[in-house]
Amino acid sequence: AQKVTQAQTEISVVEKEDVTLDCVYETRDTTYYLFWYKQPPSGELVFLIRRNSFDEQNEISGRYSWNFQKSTSSFNFTITASQVVDSAVYFCALNPLDTGFQKLVFGTGTRLLVSP
Amino acid sequence: ETGVTQTPRHLVMGMTNKKSLKCEQHLGHNAMYWYKQSAKKPLELMFVYSLEERVENNSVPSRFSPECPNSSHLFLHLHTLQPEDSALYLCASSQDLSGGSNEQFFGPGTRLTVL
Repeated sequence: AQKVTQAQTEISVVEKEDVTLDCVYETRDTTYYLFWYKQPPSGELVFLIRRNSFDEQNEISGRYSWNFQKSTSSFNFTITASQVVDSAVYFCALNPLDTGFQKLVFGTGTRLLVSP
Repeated sequence: ETGVTQTPRHLVMGMTNKKSLKCEQHLGHNAMYWYKQSAKKPLELMFVYSLEERVENNSVPSRFSPECPNSSHLFLHLHTLQPEDSALYLCASSQDLSGGSNEQFFGPGTRLTVL
């Protein structure tokens, strides 16, 4: 079965705090891609990062960093020094490739609220 | 216009009405998708089109009828909907369907309320 679990429904932090959003996935595929998307109040999902299953290097992009650990099937997302503009719903998604084409399996999302 | 646009942004309809949602992508992509986003649930993939051909119908009731007249436009025709169909309907596009690395670009969605 293909599944993505985001156990944190909602997180509230104060500006400048660091925050980590958890993502745990399940798949039997050996080749797959993992994604993070951000959904601000305007509604559209904004692509943040893509990671393939053979690349376990952590990635940092500005205040964002991602920790991919195949051993624990996790792909966690950390925002350093959070800002009010980071307030949004964040989705982790899995593309298991067993269908041979793009078929994203999404988690239920984590709502992040950053207050001033 | 850039990216993926959707109209209308909000729609209220009765159960006996017929309406259509429109999606247009300005990215030169060949694949388009419809998703349903309900509260407290993961995004559900409804339909996938590649070069105007439907390649996936994810057990969606027939009261939802997609149409893809060309690779830039995607419609979702609605008729005799139920209140539980109220949700945010998101359209997305990607370069194509190959592999798994192409990210999908999403529109802002249509917030549908069925009375």
